[in-house]
Amino acid sequence: GENVEQHPSTLSVQEGDSAVIKCTYSDSASNYFPWYKQELGKRPQLIIDIRSNVGEKKDQRIAVTLNKTAKHFSLHITETQPEDSAVYFCAATYSGNTPLVFGKGTRLSVIA
Amino acid sequence: EPEVTQTPSHQVTQMGQEVILRCVPISNHLYFYWYRQILGQKVEFLVSFYNNEISEKSEIFDDQFSVERPDGSNFTLKIRSTKLEDSAMYFCASGGTSTGELFFGEGSRLTVL
Repeated sequence: GENVEQHPSTLSVQEGDSAVIKCTYSDSASNYFPWYKQELGKRPQLIIDIRSNVGEKKDQRIAVTLNKTAKHFSLHITETQPEDSAVYFCAATYSGNTPLVFGKGTRLSVIA
Repeated sequence: EPEVTQTPSHQVTQMGQEVILRCVPISNHLYFYWYRQILGQKVEFLVSFYNNEISEKSEIFDDQFSVERPDGSNFTLKIRSTKLEDSAMYFCASGGTSTGELFFGEGSRLTVL
């Protein structure tokens, strides 16, 4: 089955700096890669996703890149703000009725 | 905006007791999931449900667990005889047709004493 590795486990950045979180996956059949943000005590919320037919996707300050050959994908947050502080999870699946497999999460702290 | 709703938000139970966690998925979704998150750890897949039957389950989902869709709207997770290690946040999620995107509920925090 799919296995997703995520690093770093914790990341502290100064407000305004960029943050990068990286994930690797094992199953070459996986074709859907979402990123979820989870604030303390809340549900995971989808912030951006990418499918295997594209290499990069951007939404305002957030971007995701995908390297299918190397089987890794990354989340980039630019101009970080204190409200970006949360745990971020990457995930992978073969889209359809297959479960998302999550990474272990990255706790991002943005220091004002 | 449609949401996945879960009840109860928090349940405290004694070890060995049965617990039922309830979920109302988004109405036009066809795929339903239960995930578990032990405090401070990652979100772990338990079970997926499609077309009124389990489509996939993880090693965590042993004989103590069961799921049911008793009517057209509810999706339940039952733990027959709770153990201390079942203490976790349980998230229900639903998805549309073959998109892969999941929508999570707010979670049900289960505390087993």
